[in-house]
Amino acid sequence: EVQVVESGGGLVQPGGSLRLSCEASGFTFNNHWMDWVRQAPGKGLEWVANINQDGSQTYYVDSVKGRFTISRDNAKSSLFLQMNSLRAEDTALYFCTRELGPPWGQGTMVTVSS
Amino acid sequence: DIQMTQSPSSLSASVGDRVTITCRASQGMRSELLWFQQRPGKAPQRLIYDASTLQSGVASRFSGSGSGTDFTLTISSLQPEDSATYYCLQYNRYPRTFGQGTKVEI
Repeated sequence: EVQVVESGGGLVQPGGSLRLSCEASGFTFNNHWMDWVRQAPGKGLEWVANINQDGSQTYYVDSVKGRFTISRDNAKSSLFLQMNSLRAEDTALYFCTRELGPPWGQGTMVTVSS
Repeated sequence: DIQMTQSPSSLSASVGDRVTITCRASQGMRSELLWFQQRPGKAPQRLIYDASTLQSGVASRFSGSGSGTDFTLTISSLQPEDSATYYCLQYNRYPRTFGQGTKVEI
């Protein structure tokens, strides 16, 4: 079965850091771009970042540039999102997706609050 | 950034109705547009890619059209399971940008 499963979310204070992980299975991970998309509670979807097959190209939405870093480990079929200097407005459900899907994971919730 | 404007923001329709959702881009692009369906509490599901190509496994009542700045998602005969929020996304340029969503109620 082709799937991705996110983990690593949680409650963090403003200014803190969190690292999200996404484990892929059922497809050749290193053949695909991978994306992170987020959704704040009750709001629409926002594209966050993506990375190419070998990790040499990365792109970000302006609001996270310089704070978030997307990376991957092809040997482990895993995608990561290192999030630093977190703000309240980063509170959202974070989805991992293969080239904007399918598949999409069920998401991991990040809450930034004191 | 390319701004994507969806309309309407919400609609109510009956089973069997034909429903059309539009997405307008702030600048011209070719056909680099996706349509997604998101049911409550679920992850988004891609319905259409390249503006008009139906994703494998998606019901044939869904169709997409358009190029340039104006794009359309059509549901030819609305079904109860189509109650969801629909989003467009452009992948012509970075950053990728979503429309604000259209909530379809039945």
